[in-house]
Amino acid sequence: DAKTTQPPSMDCAEGRAANLPCNHSTISGNEYVYWYRQIHSQGPQYIIHGLKNNETNEMASLIITEDRKSSTLILPHATLRDTAVYYCIVRVAGSEDNTNAGKSTFGDGTTLTVKP
Amino acid sequence: GAVVSQHPSWVICKSGTSVKIECRSLDFQATTMFWYRQFPKQSLMLMATSNEGSKATYEQGVEKDKFLINHASLTLSTLTVTSAHPEDSSFYICSASKGAGDLSNQPQHFGDGTRLSIL
Repeated sequence: DAKTTQPPSMDCAEGRAANLPCNHSTISGNEYVYWYRQIHSQGPQYIIHGLKNNETNEMASLIITEDRKSSTLILPHATLRDTAVYYCIVRVAGSEDNTNAGKSTFGDGTTLTVKP
Repeated sequence: GAVVSQHPSWVICKSGTSVKIECRSLDFQATTMFWYRQFPKQSLMLMATSNEGSKATYEQGVEKDKFLINHASLTLSTLTVTSAHPEDSSFYICSASKGAGDLSNQPQHFGDGTRLSIL
């Protein structure tokens, strides 16, 4: 599985954009980049994912570099409720008979603290 | 949509007993579910991949006889921790993706986890 590297922690002021970086230099051409977040004592929450193109949804934007070796998750207007651990994951590609298909290996993530 | 429910959310039991945790996809079918374990202040660790109608695939170092997985229907997978001991105390989380085939383009939807405490 391609590994990801994220800074262990980041702070962001409430109302400002939070930009969370992730390095995935060994990513393969057919592997997707996913972002999840986990608030204390809960299961992870899906945020967004992409393959090559930048993506945007109601929660965030995902910017993937042209060489796909890194990406940035952008929370446009961070709120106190966005304080969480954010995980960047490269998801294994494959077909139905590939036992590794769809597996997600979690790294240590980035603890984002949004401050008033 | 895409809700995954785990039950129970919290369980305390004596050492030596077996504990069953259920993972249900409430509004979609899932041929594959994943089971994770998370210790305090650590990341999620993948334990096994649960496949509907076939045997689970376990990650290296995870004892298949200790952690029994059954995926009998497209909406239910169970994890049974057999002969549980205090070191098995952890936060167990399941996830499921919609559909079948190549799941790499399908988000995982996670349950809220089960906190297991073995006395």
